[in-house]
Amino acid sequence: NAGVMQNPRHLVRRRGQEARLRCSPMKGHSHVYWYRQLPEEGLKFMVYLQKENIIDESGMPKERFSAEFPKEGPSILRIQQVVRGDSAAYFCASSPETGHSYEQYFGPGTRLTVT
Amino acid sequence: LAKTTQPISMDSYEGQEVNITCSHNNIATNDYITWYQQFPSQGPRFIIQGYKTKVTNEVASLFIPADRKSSTLSLPRVSLSDTAVYYCLVGDVSNDYKLSFGAGTTVTVRA
Repeated sequence: NAGVMQNPRHLVRRRGQEARLRCSPMKGHSHVYWYRQLPEEGLKFMVYLQKENIIDESGMPKERFSAEFPKEGPSILRIQQVVRGDSAAYFCASSPETGHSYEQYFGPGTRLTVT
Repeated sequence: LAKTTQPISMDSYEGQEVNITCSHNNIATNDYITWYQQFPSQGPRFIIQGYKTKVTNEVASLFIPADRKSSTLSLPRVSLSDTAVYYCLVGDVSNDYKLSFGAGTTVTVRA
């Protein structure tokens, strides 16, 4: 059973470009969460999605950031017009339909570098 | 969410037992205690979760006293590969989903 997959693992963008981060949850998992980890800091919650629905985006910046989890395909975190402060590791996690929501399975992360 | 306090770092040697204590004085009745492990350049990994007394699995043990205001993660006979950051999280596992990771405890195991 493959774990949570994220790609790309490393992404370099110039200021002003768009970054697209993809996440495929574990098989059978319908809940997806995105977290951001800035250098020397702990992970911070960004957004929680279920298939075709955004449940909670309270941790996501209001501008330039968006997320989706379509009926078919991976979840996408999109960052438009990136700035240097967006440089961070972005982690995706998933959890099953049932079970404790605190037991989330994390992917390897995408490290975004904005130059 | 209950605030947690844990040591910034701990050093150990291979074969020793490592105990990391987490303080959570404001833990609520419905809150559980959950520990995650994170290796460099990887995502966090769920280790263990408990509500009270003692929980043990193949990786670690979790000791929770009766007042639940603290908990101790015990890693038996650590090896070099146990070098990682360990996070203590406290929250209502039935309703909360926003995992809140602080700085964690960096455990360094030396040969």
